Amino acid sequence: TQLLEQSPQFLSIQEGENLTVYCNSSSVFSSLQWYRQEPGEGPVLLVTVVTGGEVKKLKRLTFQFGDARKDSSLHITAAQPGDTGLYLCAGAPDAGGTSYGKLTFGQGTILTVHP
Amino acid sequence: NAGVMQNPRHLVRRRGQEARLRCSPMKGHSHVYWYRQLPEEGLKFMVYLQKENIIDESGMPKERFSAEFPKEGPSILRIQQVVRGDSAAYFCASSPANRGLIANYGYTFGSGTRLTVV
Repeated sequence: TQLLEQSPQFLSIQEGENLTVYCNSSSVFSSLQWYRQEPGEGPVLLVTVVTGGEVKKLKRLTFQFGDARKDSSLHITAAQPGDTGLYLCAGAPDAGGTSYGKLTFGQGTILTVHP
Repeated sequence: NAGVMQNPRHLVRRRGQEARLRCSPMKGHSHVYWYRQLPEEGLKFMVYLQKENIIDESGMPKERFSAEFPKEGPSILRIQQVVRGDSAAYFCASSPANRGLIANYGYTFGSGTRLTVV
């Protein structure tokens, strides 16, 4: 069974601060995806990282995939109140067999950015 | 270009009743996945289906839960004889068939069905 440990579970910061959310596992993933979920809605994909060591930037968000494809981080620079929400990481298993369609999600990080 | 459509958005059932949750995948997507989310938790995989085939149901409870994705029509997640512990948000996601596309573009999720068992 693959597990993804996401931390921290809660993060409350002031507008303008920087933050980092981590996802760690002992398992190797073929890709790691980050989602953001608003209350009452489904997760919305932010980014997918596929290659070990890969770094992707999405405006003030920077996503990194670990070299061994077991961990990932999301860094937000100069957080804004509009960044408030639930952030989820999800790992896709190594391709092969039928399990490639099955995502393993972290527990989520509830981010609150105060004006 | 409609996304993943789930209905109903909210469903209230009394203990012992049946709950039917429907999911229509995005146009062009042939793979459907169901996930369950308890309050302030991440999503837990339940089942992965293709048209007329259950590919992986390792996350489904052994009893009372079933899923189908018929040749025509939406995918259905059925919960028989619901209990309070079934109260949760149920999300459906869809993806194209190509593994490379899944790996690179992820899944598209619906807005979910919030089931409340009273």
